[in-house]
Amino acid sequence: SQTIHQWPATLVQPVGSPLSLECTVEGTSNPNLYWYRQAAGRGLQLLFYSIGIDQISSEVPQNLSASRPQDRQFILSSKKLLLSDSGFYLCAWSDVGIPEKLFFGSGTQLSVL
Amino acid sequence: KNQVEQSPQSLIILEGKNCTLQCNYTVSPFSNLRWYKQDTGRGPVSLTIMTFSENTKSNGRYTATLDADTKQSSLHITASQLSDSASYICVVTSSYNTDKLIFGTGTRLQVFP
Repeated sequence: SQTIHQWPATLVQPVGSPLSLECTVEGTSNPNLYWYRQAAGRGLQLLFYSIGIDQISSEVPQNLSASRPQDRQFILSSKKLLLSDSGFYLCAWSDVGIPEKLFFGSGTQLSVL
Repeated sequence: KNQVEQSPQSLIILEGKNCTLQCNYTVSPFSNLRWYKQDTGRGPVSLTIMTFSENTKSNGRYTATLDADTKQSSLHITASQLSDSASYICVVTSSYNTDKLIFGTGTRLQVFP
């Protein structure tokens, strides 16, 4: 069966520090991969999605970046965090054949202080 | 502009009672609509999916309805349980781009004993 792992679960970082969130998927190949952010009281905002290695689309211009070094690994990064980067970050995957059915990771609660 | 609006924003009910959550969308052309349940601090989990031709879909005590003419969907929860306390998110996909989901901001449901 397919599983998705996302870590860390919580993270507290000072403003200006770097960020690296990792997500891996098991039990499937060539999945679509996504990074979402959920600010308090707001809906999920799509940040990046990837349909293959080194094929990443950015939905919102910001100081975050994403990379997909392996087929089932998706990394969200920042060189310098801003206060506004605080939020709940969710990694998700979907099957190429059923892109609208997302399977979410457990999320990372990021607090930038 | 493609939008998904949910109501109410929050809802409190007593255990054992029924409730109905609403979702209105302006997404066109319409492909499908999903309801997700998101427990606090966790990733969303899919409850139901409906396509244009489907009016009703059930998953245990959860029943979703869809009126594609009025672009409205509802999620009815029967005999609520404490474990139903969560956010319920309506997600619509446009057939123009099935890789990009349009999320509602969710309804926060609290079930009290």
